[in-house]
Amino acid sequence: DIVITQDELSNPVTSGESVSISCRSSKSLLYKDGKTYLNWFLQRPGQSPQLLIYLMSTRASGVSDRFSGSGSGTDFTLEISRVKAEDVGVYYCQQLVEYPYTFGGGTKLEIK
Amino acid sequence: EVQLQQSGPELVKPGASMKISCKASGYSFTGYTMNWVKQSHGKNLEWIGLINPYNGGTSYNQKFKGKATLTVDKSSSTAYMELLSLTSEDSAVYYCARRHFDYWGQGTTLTVSS
Repeated sequence: DIVITQDELSNPVTSGESVSISCRSSKSLLYKDGKTYLNWFLQRPGQSPQLLIYLMSTRASGVSDRFSGSGSGTDFTLEISRVKAEDVGVYYCQQLVEYPYTFGGGTKLEIK
Repeated sequence: EVQLQQSGPELVKPGASMKISCKASGYSFTGYTMNWVKQSHGKNLEWIGLINPYNGGTSYNQKFKGKATLTVDKSSSTAYMELLSLTSEDSAVYYCARRHFDYWGQGTTLTVSS
């Protein structure tokens, strides 16, 4: 199975600052169609996960442009600019290039 | 508006089986596969498998073969996941999520305890 690794954030973030969340895959998520099959989700406390980014860099419908995704075949970054209190929660990345789909362990975002 | 409405929380005894439902509305049910996801300890997410409501075809995570069985009822636009031979390790929140994980149900909490 593809292993997805996420780091913890070292410190809480101040509102208005920017933050980067990293995600690494044990195998390239670049498929032969030229697309990279990586999703990013936010799970707010007590809620279901919400899709933020799909195909590594495409924002899902209704998602703020403060969220952006980038990366290569195995290393990925979710950037959140001008962090707000509503961004608090756990961020997950997920690969969909092959079965079984697998998720990272999550990165918790806290606001000072 | 797309909605996935899951059945309510369950408390079941070890060794029993149970079935979770996920009723879809607001889109063509047979046009999108349905995924099932397990979240244990409030954090770890695991993909259980998916079903194609159009033809009933399934793909399972090897880890959940023999544990989960996915079915659908097209007449009611409802997907089901049956969990077998339950143990405490199956205590978790279970979600259904549409094909690209763009819509999720609210989650069903399963507690396995005697």
